[in-house]
Amino acid sequence: DAKTTQPTSMDCAEGRAANLPCNHSTISGNEYVYWYRQIHSQGPQYIIHGLKNNETNEMASLIITEDRKSSTLILPHATLRDTAVYYCIVRGMGDKLIFGTGTRLQVFP
Amino acid sequence: NAGVTQTPKFQVLKTGQSMTLQCAQDMNHEYMSWYRQDPGMGLRLIHYSVGAGITDQGEVPNGYNVSRSTTEDFPLRLLSAAPSQTSVYFCASSYSFLSSYNEQFFGPGTRLTVL
Repeated sequence: DAKTTQPTSMDCAEGRAANLPCNHSTISGNEYVYWYRQIHSQGPQYIIHGLKNNETNEMASLIITEDRKSSTLILPHATLRDTAVYYCIVRGMGDKLIFGTGTRLQVFP
Repeated sequence: NAGVTQTPKFQVLKTGQSMTLQCAQDMNHEYMSWYRQDPGMGLRLIHYSVGAGITDQGEVPNGYNVSRSTTEDFPLRLLSAAPSQTSVYFCASSYSFLSSYNEQFFGPGTRLTVL
């Protein structure tokens, strides 16, 4: 079973920041938070991952709360091409990558 | 690098037929896996392999066989196709199963219909 809870869908205006929340209240100390996205019917694409510190790369930022029970993926300037399903996944080293149902993000003009 | 390649892109089978979905990667990745995605659903793990000669079951392994004789290839076999196996199948690979940096690269998918 997926260890995360995400909203089913969200909207965001083009050019604005998209903040996608994820709850993982049962996360254990050695488990990481991963984010993937799936555009239309393509294969999923890795975005970012983190353990306890906030992380940033060229695609997004990941903010993890101090108690690690939730996190937020931030797309700083959403574009129409960011319309996709976003998956938040909790995984320990040596564990399988188990997907939930994700959040469908619709970016509108 | 071609990345992760899958063949065929589309396939229609009749109930009871068998077939093999091919998956190959040219990145020298240790870890490879197969997922299926039903309409409107997330991905479910079928089988995975942490290296040549080693395979294990995922969430939904029934009706599928895998083998890993080389690092590059990880074919998925449907022994006797059933309509419930109509789905999109994705193959993925990553450098190491044991690393926290486990970016998985996905193939473009095989769309299978079983009549």
